[in-house]
Amino acid sequence: QQQVKQSPQSLIVQKGGISIINCAYENTAFDYFPWYQQFPGKGPALLIAIRPDVSEKKEGRFTISFNKSAKQFSLHIMDSQPGDSATYFCAASTFSGSARQLTFGSGTQLTVLP
Amino acid sequence: DSGVTQTPKHLITATGQRVTLRCSPRSGDLSVYWYQQSLDQGLQFLIHYYNGEERAKGNILERFSAQQFPDLHSELNLSSLELGDSALYFCASSVDRNGNTIYFGEGSWLTVV
Repeated sequence: QQQVKQSPQSLIVQKGGISIINCAYENTAFDYFPWYQQFPGKGPALLIAIRPDVSEKKEGRFTISFNKSAKQFSLHIMDSQPGDSATYFCAASTFSGSARQLTFGSGTQLTVLP
Repeated sequence: DSGVTQTPKHLITATGQRVTLRCSPRSGDLSVYWYQQSLDQGLQFLIHYYNGEERAKGNILERFSAQQFPDLHSELNLSSLELGDSALYFCASSVDRNGNTIYFGEGSWLTVV
């Protein structure tokens, strides 16, 4: 029930295209859904996050769409650029015991072709 | 730069050995988290410390242990190493135990040969 399922495993998009990465979860106790971006040789860095009381959040070219009833959320990268090439992780967070815990998806390797 | 410092960046060791990975959290952060990243397992949560106390345990093997010191730096000890322990180990920190936003270091690459 703690799993977060992410797809696709890899994604190749042309420059200027839209990149879409999907995640699904089972645990309805999750109440915070961040996306992390990881470049080779670096640690994951928070990109954008959403709470389940909103259906969409947009920051620049990055948008999270959230469907609470379907227990799914997705990251859309508009006008994808070669510099967006990285691994993207969705995550879900809930308070468990005495602390908050983040559960990560398996990651999507995005390649944006010039 | 996230402000989280991890050492060493790379480590090669033999099976059966013991290693210690070190982490300095961002200034002011009280929580430290350890994650293991491998190709087939993704990012796996290992353990969480808050202000010196263990708060949560994830998929951490009994051969692994961690601690957070009074100056808030943390160490992850890996013993009786096996080939399958080869992975990237990340430390992350957050200001409190609610940890909605956690900041990752650049990781320590461990290769067991």
